Amino acid sequence: EAGVAQSPRYKIIEKRQSVAFWCNPISGHATLYWYQQILGQGPKLLIQFQNNGVVDDSQLPKDRFSAERLKGVDSTLKIQPAKLEDSAVYLCASSLGWGGPYEQYFGPGTRLTVT
Amino acid sequence: DQQVKQNSPSLSVQEGRISILNCDYTNSMFDYFLWYKKYPAEGPTFLISISSIKDKNEDGRFTVFLNKSAKHLSLHIVPSQPGDSAVYFCAARTGGTSYGKLTFGQGTILTVHP
Repeated sequence: EAGVAQSPRYKIIEKRQSVAFWCNPISGHATLYWYQQILGQGPKLLIQFQNNGVVDDSQLPKDRFSAERLKGVDSTLKIQPAKLEDSAVYLCASSLGWGGPYEQYFGPGTRLTVT
Repeated sequence: DQQVKQNSPSLSVQEGRISILNCDYTNSMFDYFLWYKKYPAEGPTFLISISSIKDKNEDGRFTVFLNKSAKHLSLHIVPSQPGDSAVYFCAARTGGTSYGKLTFGQGTILTVHP
């Protein structure tokens, strides 16, 4: 079974530039998550999709971050414009659903460096 | 407001001995607790979980204990192996209408020496 795919794996940009990350979840997984992991901290949920609808984006900085999940499969996370404090690893995860003890499967992440 | 805390940034253990990783939480609405393991340049992988109505769950070398009155859980690894060296994250799932949101601790770096 293929895991969660993410690209790119690494990205370096200057502040005020824009960047986009892509995620392909495990086939059949209805729930998709984007997390931000700052060095030395645990992952923090940015946004959660159920199929192609957003169910939780309470911690997404909506003035600069946006995300979409087209056709309930792939997802993109965009930052525009980037700030220095956005330097982090961005993790995508998916699960069968959210109502039961469904474990979340994580991709390898995209390491973003903003200079 | 950090609802899930792992107060030990690192732990060093000899191969064959027991590793005990600890986690404290503050939110009584958490209904599941999970442990994830993370190797460098990889995403976290699920290790073991426990429902809030249980006090122990065991899976091979891994056992998780939950003390609800103390709002504390721990992960025991027996015996520890060098391949267990990784960052371990404690996570808690919010029940009710929160769509299964996970809140993670800061992580503990476990090093198992041969």
